Amino acid sequence: GIQVEQSPPDLILQEGANSTLRCNFSDSVNNLQWFHQNPWGQLINLFYIPSGTKQNGRLSATTVATERYSLLYISSSQTTDSGVYFCAVADTGGFKTIFGAGTRLFVKA
Amino acid sequence: KAGVTQTPRYLIKTRGQQVTLSCSPISGHRSVSWYQQTPGQGLQFLFEYFSETQRNKGNFPGRFSGRQFSNSRSEMNVSTLELGDSALYLCASSPGYEQFFGPGTRLTVL
Repeated sequence: GIQVEQSPPDLILQEGANSTLRCNFSDSVNNLQWFHQNPWGQLINLFYIPSGTKQNGRLSATTVATERYSLLYISSSQTTDSGVYFCAVADTGGFKTIFGAGTRLFVKA
Repeated sequence: KAGVTQTPRYLIKTRGQQVTLSCSPISGHRSVSWYQQTPGQGLQFLFEYFSETQRNKGNFPGRFSGRQFSNSRSEMNVSTLELGDSALYLCASSPGYEQFFGPGTRLTVL
C-alpha cells in the first residue's frame, strides 16, 4: 500500500518565523489533503491539493504529483498555529485514505 | 451548512462490552469514512461507505464493523472491547474526494 512520510516530526518556532512541512508519498495518488489537528482532536481542513499550488492567508501548499511530494508553508507563525499537521492521501481507487504520522508544531510567544 | 456530527463525544466502557458510535455526514455527502487515532499507531483507516455499500476497509479485526443507512448516516460497532481499543474515533464525510471530519468520539476501555 501507499506509504506517507512527513517531516520533520517535531518543530519548534518562535512566533513570527516561517516554516516548511514536507509530505512524501510512495505511489500515485488521487488526492491529497493537509489538516491541522487542534488540541481537542478536531481535524481542520487546510488544503485539498492533489496538484498545483494554493494559498490561504499565511498558509500555502504545493503538490508535485509527478515527484510524489507536497509542501505546506506557514509564514509569520502565530501561537495559534501550534498543533499537529497531517498530510493524507487516497489510493488511486480513492476509497482508502492513508495519513502520515504528522508534524507536531509548537510556536513560542 | 451543518458539519459532520458524531455521537456520543465521550464514552467509557469495560473490557468485553460492545459499543456503537454514530456519525451524521454533511447534508448531500454520500461517502462516510471511519478512522481510529491512537498515540502509538496514529490515524488509521477503518472503512469507507458509499450509498450503503462498504467500498474499502482497513486492516482491523472482524470485531470492528460498520454500516450506512439510506440517509447516509453511519454507525460503527466494536464488539468484545479490548484495552487497546481505547482511542479517538473520527468520522469523515465527503462529496467526492475531499474529506471533512467530525469532532470524534473518545472511547476509553477500562
